[in-house]
Amino acid sequence: DTGVSQDPRHKITKRGQNVTFRCDPISEHNRLYWYRQTLGQGPEFLTYFQNEAQLEKSRLLSDRFSAERPKGSFSTLEIQRTEQGDSAMYLCASSSTGTGPYGYTFGSGTRLTVV
Amino acid sequence: GQQVMQIPQYQHVQEGEDFTTYCNSSTTLSNIQWYKQRPGGHPVFLIQLVKSGEVKKQKRLTFQFGEAKKNSSLHITATQTTDVGTYFCAGTRGSTLGRLYFGRGTQLTVWP
Repeated sequence: DTGVSQDPRHKITKRGQNVTFRCDPISEHNRLYWYRQTLGQGPEFLTYFQNEAQLEKSRLLSDRFSAERPKGSFSTLEIQRTEQGDSAMYLCASSSTGTGPYGYTFGSGTRLTVV
Repeated sequence: GQQVMQIPQYQHVQEGEDFTTYCNSSTTLSNIQWYKQRPGGHPVFLIQLVKSGEVKKQKRLTFQFGEAKKNSSLHITATQTTDVGTYFCAGTRGSTLGRLYFGRGTQLTVWP
C-alpha cells in the first residue's frame, strides 16, 4: 500500500453537471476525511467517516454535496449541479484511531475546474 | 471561516536565516499538528503535539505547544532551499483524531 489514492487527478466540467471523485485510503486506516482547498487557503473540512459511518459533516456543505463510504474502504464524493464556486482542490486523507502520534495522510487531490 | 489563525501569511528569507510561524486558536485545542505542503503538492504530516507546554525537535525544526493549549509555533533554524513550502498548523477539539481545523498557512520562500 503506497498511500492514499485519489481519482481523477484533474476534472474539468461544465457548470450544472454532476461530478464524482473517488478516494482509496491506506488499507489499515479506519478514518477517512474529505477537505477542500483553494489557492492561498488552508484545507477546509467537508466531512469524515469512521469505517462506513459518516461522523461529521460541515455546515458549509450544501445539499449538492454527498459522500459515501459503503464498505468502510474507499469513499466517493459527489457534487451535483456544479457551480463555478466549487472549483478547488478536493483532498482526501486517512488516519488510524490507534495509539500514537498519527497525523493525516493526504492523497494528491482532485483538482476540479468548473467552466 | 478559519478557526485557527496563523501568521505571517508569507515569509521570505535568505538561506541560512531562521524562520518562525505562529498559530493561535480562540479555543483550547486537544492537539496541534503541523503539515508542510510543497508547491503543487499535498500536505504532509510533520508532527503532533498533545501536552501543554510541549516542545519537540526534528533536526532544525522546533515545535512548541502553548501552556494554555491555544497557541503553537514552528521555528526553523538556518533555513535551506529544501525548506520552501507552505507550513500549516491544524488543531482538533474534543477527540484527538477527529476533524482538524487548519490555519491559513505560512508560505516560506528561501533565497539561495
